[in-house]
Amino acid sequence: DQQVKQNSPSLSVQEGRISILNCDYTNSMFDYFLWYKKYPAEGPTFLISISSIKDKNEDGRFTVFLNKSAKHLSLHIVPSQPGDSAVYFCAASAHPNAGNMLTFGGGTRLMVKP
Amino acid sequence: NAGVTQTPKFQVLKTGQSMTLQCAQDMNHEYMSWYRQDPGMGLRLIHYSVGAGITDQGEVPNGYNVSRSTTEDFPLRLLSAAPSQTSVYFCASSYSGRGQGEQFFGPGTRLTVL
Repeated sequence: DQQVKQNSPSLSVQEGRISILNCDYTNSMFDYFLWYKKYPAEGPTFLISISSIKDKNEDGRFTVFLNKSAKHLSLHIVPSQPGDSAVYFCAASAHPNAGNMLTFGGGTRLMVKP
Repeated sequence: NAGVTQTPKFQVLKTGQSMTLQCAQDMNHEYMSWYRQDPGMGLRLIHYSVGAGITDQGEVPNGYNVSRSTTEDFPLRLLSAAPSQTSVYFCASSYSGRGQGEQFFGPGTRLTVL
């Protein structure tokens, strides 16, 4: 059973509008969450993270929101740009964590149309 | 810095053959991991290492061996390849401890087992 789920396999957004990518988790031990971005034929690259002691973290156009009671987090991209088109993975980390291990969701493919 | 490098980029094996996927990092990271990516499944942890000489199993370790004789290198061995091991394999490295941000991923090895 997947502990981290991204229920939308794909999302299409117009350039300049907001993109909202969602992620749900089931493991109550998860207390650190990350978003990774992946282009074809490349490895994932880190985008933004949030600790469970916060409910929001912002970095430029990217904001992650965490709702612990609902076990839900979301990534907002405003404004969306064509270069944001990629697969986005949500990942979670539990405490304790001997090897900095991450549990990933299945990914959401974002397409930003010019 | 080259970051995390992986070789080969592509590989085709026949069932029962063995091979080693190479991974190296030049960032002096203590933690290294191997993940496999399958459609809709995200990335799943195979094995990880918290330092030279120390390795442990992840979520899907069966059919794979690892060793860590140096800080820089973390090879993944397939002893007897099976079609179920057809996947894209990513190596990652990070500093010790969580909350320090991202894991750095290599570009991946696409493996097909016939």
